[in-house]
Amino acid sequence: NAGVTQTPKFRVLKTGQSMTLLCAQDMNHEYMYWYRQDPGMGLRLIHYSVGEGTTAKGEVPDGYNVSRLKKQNFLLGLESAAPSQTSVYFCASSRGTRGLGELFFGEGSRLTVL
Amino acid sequence: GENVEQHPSTLSVQEGDSAVIKCTYSDSASNYFPWYKQELGKRPQLIIDIRSNVGEKKDQRIAVTLNKTAKHFSLHITETQPEDSAVYFCAPRGNYQLIWGAGTKLIIKP
Repeated sequence: NAGVTQTPKFRVLKTGQSMTLLCAQDMNHEYMYWYRQDPGMGLRLIHYSVGEGTTAKGEVPDGYNVSRLKKQNFLLGLESAAPSQTSVYFCASSRGTRGLGELFFGEGSRLTVL
Repeated sequence: GENVEQHPSTLSVQEGDSAVIKCTYSDSASNYFPWYKQELGKRPQLIIDIRSNVGEKKDQRIAVTLNKTAKHFSLHITETQPEDSAVYFCAPRGNYQLIWGAGTKLIIKP
């Protein structure tokens, strides 16, 4: 039972390049989330999904796209990376509905955009 | 949108002493109040949470108290130990999503 797994764990991009972060969970959770964490700040919600085939914008969605084609996977895409997107990205999942209940986080993906 | 503030931003306590971190929120409709712990370089993990129909909850050395009238809730850690050193985040639920505080760095002095 791996929980929440993120790949890759580290990535360096040049400005304008694109990439996809993959999040996989094996807990059969309905809700999945992508957050970014910057130094001295809390987590900020980028996008989230309340079930397979659904996605919604969070607090800071600009510059990112997501897809949830399978219940266990939630992909975060950067179409044209910018230095402002340098951050640590965390995926999370939860069983609870409407923001209630424990979030289970992946180990994080450190992205640097040069 | 909801405003969440944590105080203090850094807290240094002697090992064995108690630590208290306060979280103030603005959305009176918030009804779920978790605290997460994040050790250096690790993922955040839930340590305790409370629902709005409860005033206090304890789990061994950790407790959370809620004052809905004043719109704040606090994390209490007693008999602090070196492994309590971490950043602690409050994340009250607002509009169906968690709104995260900026974090409190807890330092345990030997």
